[in-house]
Amino acid sequence: GQQLNQSPQSMFIQEGEDVSMNCTSSSIFNTWLWYKQEPGEGPVLLIALYKAGELTSNGRLTAQFGITRKDSFLNISASIPSDVGIYFCARYGGGNTPLVFGKGTRLSVIA
Amino acid sequence: EAGVTQSPTHLIKTRGQQATLRCSPISGHTSVYWYQQALGLGLQFLLWYDEGEERNRGNFPPRFSGRQFPNYSSELNVNALELEDSALYLCASSLVGYEQYFGPGTRLTVT
Repeated sequence: GQQLNQSPQSMFIQEGEDVSMNCTSSSIFNTWLWYKQEPGEGPVLLIALYKAGELTSNGRLTAQFGITRKDSFLNISASIPSDVGIYFCARYGGGNTPLVFGKGTRLSVIA
Repeated sequence: EAGVTQSPTHLIKTRGQQATLRCSPISGHTSVYWYQQALGLGLQFLLWYDEGEERNRGNFPPRFSGRQFPNYSSELNVNALELEDSALYLCASSLVGYEQYFGPGTRLTVT
């Protein structure tokens, strides 16, 4: 099957530190998406990437669509307590294929 | 603009019963997606409806079914409930297949 490998599974960081997480796939895809889910809520779309090499920022968040089209990275700079949550990557293969999500990276920020 | 809404927020059923979950998409969105998120797990794709028709279905048994109404709202029905059906059920809507916006979810508990 077309699986996504998301790492790390969890991270404990100090407030103010930078964070990096990534997703890899065995296949090439057209679109990568990054979501954040806070406890008791649905995932919120953070960044969408549409072409290889694309680098997109949303405030302190920066995501990149890998050149090989098989991976994507999400970086968070100068983390703050409200960054706590689970970050999911997702990929879209086109047509009537559904989004496939990674298993998530659980981020904890220690003040 | 109102986001995706889901009802009820919580639902408690006993094994063997049926559950009906409801979703209203963002105004103008024609596609509705259903996902199951079991405790500690990622998002598993259930169903995708667009313009009233089922476009794709995840690897779930036939007792998971649904429909989309002319106003694009949707229902998810789960028959013959089993204990392992206990999960957060998330609905998302989109105008195009990849940028999906999620509701807060319905927490289904089967006892």
